[in-house]
Amino acid sequence: DTEVTQTPKHLVMGMTNKKSLKCEQHMGHRAMYWYKQKAKKPPELMFVYSYEKLSINESVPSRFSPECPNSSLLNLHLHALQPEDSALYLCASSQGLWPLHFGNGTRLTVT
Amino acid sequence: GNSVTQMEGPVTLSEEAFLTINCTYTATGYPSLFWYVQYPGEGLQLLLKATKADDKGSNKGFEATYRKETTSFHLEKGSVQVSDSAVYFCALLNTGFQKLVFGTGTRLLVSP
Repeated sequence: DTEVTQTPKHLVMGMTNKKSLKCEQHMGHRAMYWYKQKAKKPPELMFVYSYEKLSINESVPSRFSPECPNSSLLNLHLHALQPEDSALYLCASSQGLWPLHFGNGTRLTVT
Repeated sequence: GNSVTQMEGPVTLSEEAFLTINCTYTATGYPSLFWYVQYPGEGLQLLLKATKADDKGSNKGFEATYRKETTSFHLEKGSVQVSDSAVYFCALLNTGFQKLVFGTGTRLLVSP
């Protein structure tokens, strides 16, 4: 069982919808990450939160909006997405710089 | 800059065969090196790591040695099982950075 829990497992949304992805960890990790993974590609870093503050934004379009309400939770708010945003979205956490503990991801389809 | 190069896949083997997946890296400084594994429908799991030159990481029969002179971190296993079928990612983390740099991944298919 993974220690990083992501919900939902699957999400289908239209281009005008607003939805959110949720990630939760109870390992006391102080860094949390969002990655995007397209089919047959490696994960690409989107955002990093350290101690609940955004520390890295990899020039992600504003239609993706991260939020870290507390040290255990990480959300990714989605609005006006494009079909090319369809991917597996992975959350990860770490205590220091490594190791990263990944969740099983949310598979997002934008129609 | 920092980058990781992995051999193209898929790698197709019979059960009990010897596995090598090549990984080379380019980095400034002294990075830490990792192998992650992704089973179908799942996230990534850390398989093994090495944090300095000549370190050998090992886990579940897999091994990799951090070779600074050849900038390599090849993954090996003496006898693969069907359950090892997955995608394997080599990755590096450089000192002072919070960004894990991944290779493109190598798919391993093991047949009975």
